[in-house]
Amino acid sequence: DQQVKQNSPSLSVQEGRISILNCDYTNSMFDYFLWYKKYPAEGPTFLISISSIKDKNEDGRFTVFLNKSAKHLSLHIVPSQPGDSAVYFCAASAGSGGSNYKLTFGKGTLLTVNP
Amino acid sequence: DAGVIQSPRHEVTEMGQEVTLRCKPISGHNSLFWYRQTMMRGLELLIYFNNNVPIDDSGMPEDRFSAKMPNASFSTLKIQPSEPRDSAVYFCASSLRQGGGYTFGSGTRLTVV
Repeated sequence: DQQVKQNSPSLSVQEGRISILNCDYTNSMFDYFLWYKKYPAEGPTFLISISSIKDKNEDGRFTVFLNKSAKHLSLHIVPSQPGDSAVYFCAASAGSGGSNYKLTFGKGTLLTVNP
Repeated sequence: DAGVIQSPRHEVTEMGQEVTLRCKPISGHNSLFWYRQTMMRGLELLIYFNNNVPIDDSGMPEDRFSAKMPNASFSTLKIQPSEPRDSAVYFCASSLRQGGGYTFGSGTRLTVV
């Protein structure tokens, strides 16, 4: 049972345009959400996060939006650059302030930014 | 800091053999996680430790898998006996504070033939 779903296995975008990666979750207990980026032969690296008390968090070219009622979050990258080409994982945790701290990941979306 | 260090980077072994994967977390981090990545299931949490104590091992697929953390600077994941379906990339990650992001190692690519 996939509690975190990334329904698009891949996305191709032109350099300079906006990339939008989507993620849906089913567990209403999730209260903290993260995006990770992964290059081939490397481990995932933390990109940006958002708490459920917010609906938007921005860090440079990266913005994460959270829609709790729809159980949906998205990552916007603007402008997209060729170096952004990687696999992006959405992750979520429940009760992040307590002992139940573990991240549940989606399967990832391969983003390709074409020059 | 050198980050989370995993060894070996690649492991090829025959079915039935014992495999041991190793992880050195970032110094000072108090949580350690073992994940497995496959095409079919993505990144799955196998087990995690807080302050060297196993907290949740519900993701460990079978009794063939075991993990230990004898001290704050070292953890092992052992598969005995190994099977071809164990072939995957195994990641170790550590974190300092709850609610923050993990730091992942570069992974061990395991191939069981």
